Amino acid sequence: DQQVKQNSPSLSVQEGRISILNCDYTNSMFDYFLWYKKYPAEGPTFLISISSIKDKNEDGRFTVFLNKSAKHLSLHIVPSQPGDSAVYFCAEKGGSAPLVFGKGTRLSVIA
Amino acid sequence: GAVVSQHPSWVICKSGTSVKIECRSLDFQATTMFWYRQFPKQSLMLMATSNEGSKATYEQGVEKDKFLINHASLTLSTLTVTSAHPEDSSFYICSPRTGYNEQFFGPGTRLTVL
Repeated sequence: DQQVKQNSPSLSVQEGRISILNCDYTNSMFDYFLWYKKYPAEGPTFLISISSIKDKNEDGRFTVFLNKSAKHLSLHIVPSQPGDSAVYFCAEKGGSAPLVFGKGTRLSVIA
Repeated sequence: GAVVSQHPSWVICKSGTSVKIECRSLDFQATTMFWYRQFPKQSLMLMATSNEGSKATYEQGVEKDKFLINHASLTLSTLTVTSAHPEDSSFYICSPRTGYNEQFFGPGTRLTVL
């Protein structure tokens, strides 16, 4: 059973609007959740993270929200830009263990 | 962050041949390197963890005799796919363990086995 679930394989958003990417998890023993952005045939690039002791972290156009009671986190991108079109992976991290990734959500921002 | 390079970025080989993928940590001494692979439209899955100077540990379902990992130095880890078959076609990515909360990844190697 997957520890990290991204139930939406794809999402299309109009340029300038908000993109909301969702992620659910089963394991509560984590230190951080992270979001990565990935283009085809490239390695994933770190975007933003959130500590288990926080419920929100913001960095420019990107905000991550963590709802521990629901075991749910989301990434908000506002305003969305065409250059944001990529596959977004959420991942959980516990201690020095390697990241565990979700299946990813393909975001398409339409101009 | 850590700067990581991989070579080659793209390789096509015939079934039954072996392919070596190099992963270099350019500005960081990596005692541990994580190797992931990604099949089309799938998640990045951890294959193995290599440790400098010792044997790698493999995730369940990953054949250690097929995917040979050598971590000869603090800046170089190699993954050799032995007797490659079409089902081994995938995107292979390395990532050193660092002291940061985030992991940094190499640019990946796309392997196509004909």
